[in-house]
Amino acid sequence: GAVVSQHPSRVICKSGTSVKIECRSLDFQATTMFWYRQFPKQSLMLMATSNEGSKATYEQGVEKDKFLINHASLTLSTLTVTSAHPEDSSFYICSASPELEQFFGPGTRLTVL
Amino acid sequence: AQSVAQPEDQVNVAEGNPLTVKCTYSVSGNPYLFWYVQYPNRGLQFLLKYITGDNLVKGSYGFEAEFNKSQTSFHLKKPSALVSDSALYFCAVKRATDSWGKLQFGAGTQVVVTP
Repeated sequence: GAVVSQHPSRVICKSGTSVKIECRSLDFQATTMFWYRQFPKQSLMLMATSNEGSKATYEQGVEKDKFLINHASLTLSTLTVTSAHPEDSSFYICSASPELEQFFGPGTRLTVL
Repeated sequence: AQSVAQPEDQVNVAEGNPLTVKCTYSVSGNPYLFWYVQYPNRGLQFLLKYITGDNLVKGSYGFEAEFNKSQTSFHLKKPSALVSDSALYFCAVKRATDSWGKLQFGAGTQVVVTP
């Protein structure tokens, strides 16, 4: 199956700093990628749809200035959590779909102190 | 709008016994249905999907699921559970004509398999 990678897998930062998370499709091109957030023992919540070469589409309630998304190439989307605060601590997962399946990255655990 | 219900927060089963994880859905039009498994601090791993064709779908690691249109269900089953099957399981649905951004996940069911 297709492979989606994320980097870093885990990051700890101080409050007020910005953190960038990368999502790569390793063996296919993805014009669209998706960013999810998952709280402990809860389901995935779609944050935004990342569109190659254009602006991301954010779900209702997600601050676009807080969660910056850039999809600069067909294999890379980045999520930057700006001025992170402890409430931004969460598990962030990206996904992409080459065909009739959705492949998920391994996730990034963000902890903001 | 589509929705998915996983009525059980947790399922406990002894190793070697059959495992069933329930999922019902609501969607207008033809559904695409999926099961994913998540281990702690990991992303979602694809188990199986129903797109069209046979109602009984076989997937990875000995899992299978049956699409039941009349009951709008897509229960996940495994004849003989292993301790290593202990994980969080998600059912997901989208309408066939919708984009992947419309994929709706259930709340998840924690499976605990005891030795």
